[in-house]
Amino acid sequence: LAKTTQPISMDSYEGQEVNITCSHNNIATNDYITWYQQFPSQGPRFIIQGYKTKVTNEVASLFIPADRKSSTLSLPRVSLSDTAVYYCLVGDMTGGGADGLTFGKGTHLIIQP
Amino acid sequence: KAGVTQTPRYLIKTRGQQVTLSCSPISGHRSVSWYQQTPGQGLQFLFEYFSETQRNKGNFPGRFSGRQFSNSRSEMNVSTLELGDSALYLCASSLGLVTGKDGELFFGEGSRLTVL
Repeated sequence: LAKTTQPISMDSYEGQEVNITCSHNNIATNDYITWYQQFPSQGPRFIIQGYKTKVTNEVASLFIPADRKSSTLSLPRVSLSDTAVYYCLVGDMTGGGADGLTFGKGTHLIIQP
Repeated sequence: KAGVTQTPRYLIKTRGQQVTLSCSPISGHRSVSWYQQTPGQGLQFLFEYFSETQRNKGNFPGRFSGRQFSNSRSEMNVSTLELGDSALYLCASSLGLVTGKDGELFFGEGSRLTVL
């Protein structure tokens, strides 16, 4: 299983760009990296997924270096509503994985005015 | 389109009892996976069911089990409850296998279990 490590918490301010990095030194060849966002009293919600290089969607970007041992979730121009816990998930996405999935312990992002 | 529904939302049990939690996936989703969330351990994968078969399993003791019905609804069972089983149990559904290209997870709001 690929173990993931994230910062426990981060602070930023409205309008800033926030980058959250996840380390996954033992990532396997077939593993993809997915990020989820969770608000209190709710289940996590999908943000973005990638395998290598850079992926961008309407809410975030995901940067994955060539060695894939880490990944960085980038949130542009955050607002107060981005205050949440962010989880990095690493798992075999080829349909053959039998070891299950590994979530990080999450990064509590706090956005201040 | 209705989201993932979990029941019950809250429950209290005592040590040694057993508990069954239910999850109704989004219509058309064939995969249901279960997760345990605690403050100390974060979000941990329990198991995944797809087409009524367990396809992936996390590192939990045999006291944790589950099943999936032909309509994709799923139940998980925890027997001989321990204090450490107190947690938020989350269910997620996806179109395909969690470990496949259609594996984007849609989570329910969870069932909060307290073991006394």
